[in-house]
Amino acid sequence: NAGVTQTPKFRVLKTGQSMTLLCAQDMNHEYMYWYRQDPGMGLRLIHYSVGEGTTAKGEVPDGYNVSRLKKQNFLLGLESAAPSQTSVYFCASSYSTGDSVYEQYFGPGTRLTVT
Amino acid sequence: LAKTTQPISMDSYEGQEVNITCSHNNIATNDYITWYQQFPSQGPRFIIQGYKTKVTNEVASLFIPADRKSSTLSLPRVSLSDTAVYYCLVGDPFSNDYKLSFGAGTTVTVRA
Repeated sequence: NAGVTQTPKFRVLKTGQSMTLLCAQDMNHEYMYWYRQDPGMGLRLIHYSVGEGTTAKGEVPDGYNVSRLKKQNFLLGLESAAPSQTSVYFCASSYSTGDSVYEQYFGPGTRLTVT
Repeated sequence: LAKTTQPISMDSYEGQEVNITCSHNNIATNDYITWYQQFPSQGPRFIIQGYKTKVTNEVASLFIPADRKSSTLSLPRVSLSDTAVYYCLVGDPFSNDYKLSFGAGTTVTVRA
């Protein structure tokens, strides 16, 4: 049981380039989330998904797109990277029903630098 | 999403109890209070969650007064490894679009 994994761990992009960050979870969770964390700040929600085939905007969605074609995967895309998108990106997942605590499980993060 | 306010930082020494209070004046009836811990270069990790009164697990205790406008995370007998950022979050886990808002958190530094 790997939990939540993120690919890649590090990436350097030039302004205007595009890339996709992959998040995978093996816990059969319904909900998945993408956050960004800038130095000295908390996490800000970019996009999230409440199930396969559905996505929704979070607090800071501009400049990002997401897709949830399979329940276990949540992709975050940057179509035209900007230096302001330099950040650490965290993916998380959680289960949505039942009597258990609704904790979010986080991945190890992807450190992205845009030059 | 309910707005939360917590201290920016706290210092403590090994073996002491650390209490972090979070204010959430506009908490909604269905909201739960959740605390996460984050170490440098890692994703946050769930610590504890509660709705009212007191919740205790092997790591911490969470105290919630009757009006639920604040909550206190209590870390008993901290060690150096408890140095981390602690986030207080409020949200309804039963809503169809369950999401949480992380503030800046409280940086807890434990000294020897």
